[in-house]
Amino acid sequence: DIQMTQSPSTLSASVGDRVTITCRASQSVSGWLAWYQQKPGKAPNLLIYEASTLESGVPSRFSGSGSGTEFTLTISSLQPDDFATYYCQQYNGYSPTFGQGTKLEIK
Amino acid sequence: QVQLQQSGPGLVKPSQTLSLTCAISGDSVSSNSAAWNWIRQSPSRGLEWLGRTYYRSRWYNDYVVSVKSRITINPDTSKNQFSLQLNSVTPEDTAVYYCARGPHAFDIWGQGTMVTVSS
Repeated sequence: DIQMTQSPSTLSASVGDRVTITCRASQSVSGWLAWYQQKPGKAPNLLIYEASTLESGVPSRFSGSGSGTEFTLTISSLQPDDFATYYCQQYNGYSPTFGQGTKLEIK
Repeated sequence: QVQLQQSGPGLVKPSQTLSLTCAISGDSVSSNSAAWNWIRQSPSRGLEWLGRTYYRSRWYNDYVVSVKSRITINPDTSKNQFSLQLNSVTPEDTAVYYCARGPHAFDIWGQGTMVTVSS
């Protein structure tokens, strides 16, 4: 299986900050990478797919980049609703796999 | 819009079978472009994809290696739903189980079902 590693595991930031989360794959996944936001007690919500394509209805302050083994999710100006846990997921191989998550906390 | 509604018991005894159903509205289990997945989440294992069923002129199933000997995902075209069966469960199978639409990124999710394996 392809292993996905996110960093950092926890990120403290303030409203208005620009933040970046990194996701690394154990082997190339080309551009087959998605990002999700999850809030407590809820299912994950798709933000970005194919590394950089914004899902319909997702605010434009979210952006994704990367290819191969290294990817980033950037939130350009944090809003109160953005404090949540974020996951990357690859879908290049037979078995989709997820990163361990990055918890974005209010500083 | 597309919605997935999960149903099934929240408590299963060790060695028994975990069974969940995911009812689809706004799409078809027989869609030639979608795949219908089960994913679980636990503090120890994180988010773990379990498997999928999909129709491309015939039915296909894919399962994660770690549970391949114990899992069955079946479509039910008469009710437009799909199901998960996980046999011989242990406390390690305690998790929140989600159904989700693919085939690649998961754009629609069910509400989740907390399943506890305990006697």
